[in-house]
Amino acid sequence: RKEVEQDPGPFNVPEGATVAFNCTYSNSASQSFFWYRQDCRKEPKLLMSVYSSGNEDGRFTAQLNRASQYISLLIRDSKLSDSATYLCVVNSYNQGGKLIFGQGTELSVKP
Amino acid sequence: GVTQSPTHLIKTRGQQVTLRCSSQSGHNTVSWYQQALGQGPQFIFQYYREEENGRGNFPPRFSGLQFPNDSSELNVNALELDDSALYLCASSSYTGPDTQYFGPGTRLTVL
Repeated sequence: RKEVEQDPGPFNVPEGATVAFNCTYSNSASQSFFWYRQDCRKEPKLLMSVYSSGNEDGRFTAQLNRASQYISLLIRDSKLSDSATYLCVVNSYNQGGKLIFGQGTELSVKP
Repeated sequence: GVTQSPTHLIKTRGQQVTLRCSSQSGHNTVSWYQQALGQGPQFIFQYYREEENGRGNFPPRFSGLQFPNDSSELNVNALELDDSALYLCASSSYTGPDTQYFGPGTRLTVL
């Protein structure tokens, strides 16, 4: 079983749609959680950290459920510029700062 | 920001390669990741204060160095076809599970 698993993609949605990405992780000792965005053939860039209380940044909302070891990302009012691959990432203090990435979910927003 | 060189590289099987990374100013920790096509990045190793501080599931022919100015090298000996990937360097301010900032990557093709 992979340490971080994400919904298989791709997701193809029209502009203005709401889209949700799901992710599960297997290591209960994981302590930090992130969503990264990666544009085609570019480096991953931090989209947002994910906290137990949930957090929102504009059209983006991230949720963490430690009991279920589940992380989600919701994008409201999708824009063409949201088209990218979204990577779920976890980290643990006992793994020396190693980021563990899911395989990514590709999002394509169409006009 | 984080810079990497070269941007692209073509090698043949059995050769050796050195990839370079310059950390973001003020960052003393550098991590290296390998991203195969269609996959999320996989952790190779991390360096802190010129010492290896954690290693992923990669063979010894993957080795690294960190220099006093916090720049870093990734060396791969006896290249194999499966080593073809995007190699990403990420820097952070300490070894804990903190935000890591990625360079643009080096795309290595092994023929």
